[in-house]
Amino acid sequence: DQQVKQNSPSLSVQEGRISILNCDYTNSMFDYFLWYKKYPAEGPTFLISISSIKDKNEDGRFTVFLNKSAKHLSLHIVPSQPGDSAVYFCAANPNYGGSQGNLIFGKGTKLSVKP
Amino acid sequence: EAGVTQSPTHLIKTRGQQATLRCSPISGHTSVYWYQQALGLGLQFLLWYDEGEERNRGNFPPRFSGRQFPNYSSELNVNALELEDSALYLCASSLEVGGPGEQYFGPGTRLTVT
Repeated sequence: DQQVKQNSPSLSVQEGRISILNCDYTNSMFDYFLWYKKYPAEGPTFLISISSIKDKNEDGRFTVFLNKSAKHLSLHIVPSQPGDSAVYFCAANPNYGGSQGNLIFGKGTKLSVKP
Repeated sequence: EAGVTQSPTHLIKTRGQQATLRCSPISGHTSVYWYQQALGLGLQFLLWYDEGEERNRGNFPPRFSGRQFPNYSSELNVNALELEDSALYLCASSLEVGGPGEQYFGPGTRLTVT
């Protein structure tokens, strides 16, 4: 049973426009969320994170929004650039009752930014 | 500063054999995590080591095991290989233990079982 879901396997966006990647989770106890970007033949690279005590975190062109009541988060990339083309993974840290160490990942969304 | 390194890059084994994968964390990081990414799936948590001890393991059979050495590098061993073990194996390290800190990933080892 997937605890972190990315329901869109792929997304295509024009360069300069906004990219919105979505992620849903099932466990209201999750308290920290992360986005990773992965290029082919490379490991995932940390992008941005958000704690459950916040509803927004911004870093340059990247903004993550968290809606706890809906158990939903989204990553906005503005403006999108061709170099942003990659697979984006949403992850949750189930850091309740003591750290379990692991992150729980979604299956990823492949973003293609067309020039 | 060097990132997380993994070796080998690719590994081809026959069903029933054993595979050993290696990982060196970022300098100063004491926690090492192993994940499996099979085709079409997200990253599945395998094992977590910190200060030489296994702290947690995911829902994988006991033939997946590993260890962490005094220099914090780590080994993942997969015994009695099965075809479905073919996957990308990713190692990550982190500095913050017991907290929500980010994990930093290596490039992975692609294991193919024939």
